[in-house]
Amino acid sequence: GAGVSQTPSNKVTEKGKYVELRCDPISGHTALYWYRQSLGQGPEFLIYFQGTGAADDSGLPNDRFFAVRPEGSVSTLKIQRTERGDSAVYLCASSLTGDPQETQYFGPGTRLLVL
Amino acid sequence: GQNIDQPTEMTATEGAIVQINCTYQTSGFNGLFWYQQHAGEAPTFLSYNVLDGLEEKGRFSSFLSRSKGYSYLLLKELQMKDSASYLCAVRGLPTGANNLFFGTGTRLTVIP
Repeated sequence: GAGVSQTPSNKVTEKGKYVELRCDPISGHTALYWYRQSLGQGPEFLIYFQGTGAADDSGLPNDRFFAVRPEGSVSTLKIQRTERGDSAVYLCASSLTGDPQETQYFGPGTRLLVL
Repeated sequence: GQNIDQPTEMTATEGAIVQINCTYQTSGFNGLFWYQQHAGEAPTFLSYNVLDGLEEKGRFSSFLSRSKGYSYLLLKELQMKDSASYLCAVRGLPTGANNLFFGTGTRLTVIP
């Protein structure tokens, strides 16, 4: 595709449920990032993939959060036992090789609301 | 610790010039990025500075002083569509050399 795409665009769930958020990076981009943005705040780093492997998952807040990228393209962010505090916009970004000087291109985000 | 500071809100007049400042304190530095984010949309890339000095790109310019931990984004000939949040982000913090550490953003309102 032309840009980073994310599905669903909106997700409403109940406290305690499990959710999956999907990201399709720009074709050919090996680096993929997940961020979380709360209202009125800047994006907060969660996890970075280089190819299929998680190169840095230091931003994941706890073990309820997990992400995979099995074929080095599409990534899924998984949240178990959701809590109301997980409500935020989850942004995915990709870059060509992961070089620090490269621009990260963001997707439109998934707005998660936990009731 | 690490911190990025930006003004929370600014207002400017259509056709004018506005400067949005960003100061940062980090233990590592691989570059500073400015992103524009319209309400409800994804951040879009505006500029990147890794060396001291001014980078100009059309109506937008960005300046960096690494010794002072300071950057600014300059917007000229403001248009109504420039009303958005402007995010300052630094790469190379202890969270990882590749990751972006964002400020809270500056919400700019352009008035007629």
